[in-house]
Amino acid sequence: ILNVEQSPQSLHVQEGDSTNFTCSFPSSNFYALHWYRWETAKSPEALFVMTLNGDEKKKGRISATLNTKEGYSYLYIKGSQPEDSATYLCAPVDAGGTSYGKLTFGQGTILTVHP
Amino acid sequence: EAGVAQSPRYKIIEKRQSVAFWCNPISGHATLYWYQQILGQGPKLLIQFQNNGVVDDSQLPKDRFSAERLKGVDSTLKIQPAKLEDSAVYLCASSLRVGRDSYNEQFFGPGTRLTVL
Repeated sequence: ILNVEQSPQSLHVQEGDSTNFTCSFPSSNFYALHWYRWETAKSPEALFVMTLNGDEKKKGRISATLNTKEGYSYLYIKGSQPEDSATYLCAPVDAGGTSYGKLTFGQGTILTVHP
Repeated sequence: EAGVAQSPRYKIIEKRQSVAFWCNPISGHATLYWYQQILGQGPKLLIQFQNNGVVDDSQLPKDRFSAERLKGVDSTLKIQPAKLEDSAVYLCASSLRVGRDSYNEQFFGPGTRLTVL
């Protein structure tokens, strides 16, 4: 089972600010990493899947990078908007033995964007 | 494509009572997951089904929690009797298959928020 840490736990920014958060995990024994966005009272929504063969993804104002050697992923939001307010979860996918394919979630970063 | 459906969305019960949650996964998805998300923590896998068989229930408190997936489609998760520490959001997710080419992308329902008083 992977130990996954996300920081910061919560973040308050003003509309228009750019921001980033970190997901840290053991650098070995995984084969992909997922980022999810979870808005209040809605379903967690997949943002990106990061794989060993790709180290950067982008969707509109949101982008993510993956460093497989040191075991971290960054999520960036450029020009934050109130609708970006959500909990952002990362989940590496385990490549080890009986845990193969298992997602282990970090505790999430709660982003609040103030108008 | 319809998403993962869950009901109820909210439930308030007293400790020692029983409660059941229902999940209908995306059509054709063989794998179904139940997660427990306690405030301030990440979702924790309780049980994983492949069709109607259990793949992983290592973190399911089997003295009070049970789950089934009859006919390999819908699933129910039951807690009997509930404790205060069971207050959490219970998420159901499904995936087409588990494999390196799929990266195990999971699709989530909106969850059931359980409050145990």
